[in-house]
Amino acid sequence: DIVMTQSPDSLAVSLGERATINCKSSQSLLYSSSNKNHLAWYQQKPGHPPKLLISWASTRESGVPDRFSGSGSGTDFTLTISSLQAEDVAVYYCQQYYITPPLTFGGGTKVEIK
Amino acid sequence: QVQLVESGGGVVQPGGSLRLSCTASGFNFSSYGMHWVRQAPGKGLEWLTYIRYDANNRWYAESIKDRFTISRDNSKNTLYLQIRSLRIEDTAIYYCAKDAGFRIRQYYFDFWGHGALVTVSS
Repeated sequence: DIVMTQSPDSLAVSLGERATINCKSSQSLLYSSSNKNHLAWYQQKPGHPPKLLISWASTRESGVPDRFSGSGSGTDFTLTISSLQAEDVAVYYCQQYYITPPLTFGGGTKVEIK
Repeated sequence: QVQLVESGGGVVQPGGSLRLSCTASGFNFSSYGMHWVRQAPGKGLEWLTYIRYDANNRWYAESIKDRFTISRDNSKNTLYLQIRSLRIEDTAIYYCAKDAGFRIRQYYFDFWGHGALVTVSS
């Protein structure tokens, strides 16, 4: 199974400042024939289901604010919130879909306001 | 708009059984694979199982493959999860989630239901 490791477990960022979440996979998620990384990012607010933010490591879903961006390739990925807003308080998860089954998630990163 | 509504959760004794349902609307249910994902209280996300749009292929996480069965009824736009021999550690919110691929497997989730809480307790 591919193990997904997120860091940090939690972070507190001031409003308007940048938040950076890291996700590392135990093997490459880059599919050579398509040159696509099979990695997604989700946001889960308290009491709500997860919401898809980004697929293919860097493709933002429709309606997701452009302050959210995904980057990285191979085994190392980053979700960046460029200017943290109050409504961004949530737990963020990465998920690999390169080798299935099983689909695997990172342990989550809790983002709070400092 | 896409809606996924889970039902069938509740309190069950250890060793018992349960069937969860997920009723879909707002999209062509019969053209998309579907998944179940669970989240234990205060914990992260755990993928459980997938069924292809036509039910001709199913995948299970190793930890649950002998006790959980996924199925679907495309005529009713409904996804099911049958759970047997329930254990304390099965206590969780169970989410159904739509696969992002139209008649192909993408294996990431573009819409989620609000979840059904299953509590296993004596």
